[in-house]
Amino acid sequence: SQTIHQWPATLVQPVGSPLSLECTVEGTSNPNLYWYRQAAGRGLQLLFYSVGIGQISSEVPQNLSASRPQDRQFILSSKKLLLSDSGFYLCAMTAHTYEQYFGPGTRLTVT
Amino acid sequence: RKEVEQDPGPFNVPEGATVAFNCTYSNSASQSFFWYRQDCRKEPKLLMSVYSSGNEDGRFTAQLNRASQYISLLIRDSKLSDSATYLCVVNPLNSGAGSYQLTFGKGTKLSVIP
Repeated sequence: SQTIHQWPATLVQPVGSPLSLECTVEGTSNPNLYWYRQAAGRGLQLLFYSVGIGQISSEVPQNLSASRPQDRQFILSSKKLLLSDSGFYLCAMTAHTYEQYFGPGTRLTVT
Repeated sequence: RKEVEQDPGPFNVPEGATVAFNCTYSNSASQSFFWYRQDCRKEPKLLMSVYSSGNEDGRFTAQLNRASQYISLLIRDSKLSDSATYLCVVNPLNSGAGSYQLTFGKGTKLSVIP
């Protein structure tokens, strides 16, 4: 079965610092991958999705970017964090069905 | 109208009670429907898919009414461990081909009380 790894689990970063969150998937090949953010008390917001290596679609314009350098690796980055970037970042995957499975998430606090 | 709407709750119910959650969706062309469960400070986990004919998994029953664009989740004999936020999820019309995107409701919080 598929397994999704995310790291780090928690992160505290100052405003203006860079960010790199990593997501890796095991147990499947050529998955669709997604980055979501969940702000405190809010719903899930889709940030990016990828249907293949190097293919990134952005859902929300912001200071974040995503990359997919390998089939089972998805990276979320920022050059300069804002306070509003705080939240729970979730990586998810689908194996070409609509059923999405989530990684354990990274809780980011920007101070 | 929001794409997926849910009553945010919270629903506070005693152990053993039956509780029902409702969800409406705006896109009549949606084809796939799910309920996810999210525990506090954890990732959402797929609870069950929702099929046109309705489906049951133990104490959980999901139903879909396409005419009314309405999805429901019924939990019978509530347990303390059922306490969580329940997310209603549908696929949006404007998802890119092959992207399998989903739209998540904001969730309904359930607290089962001893």
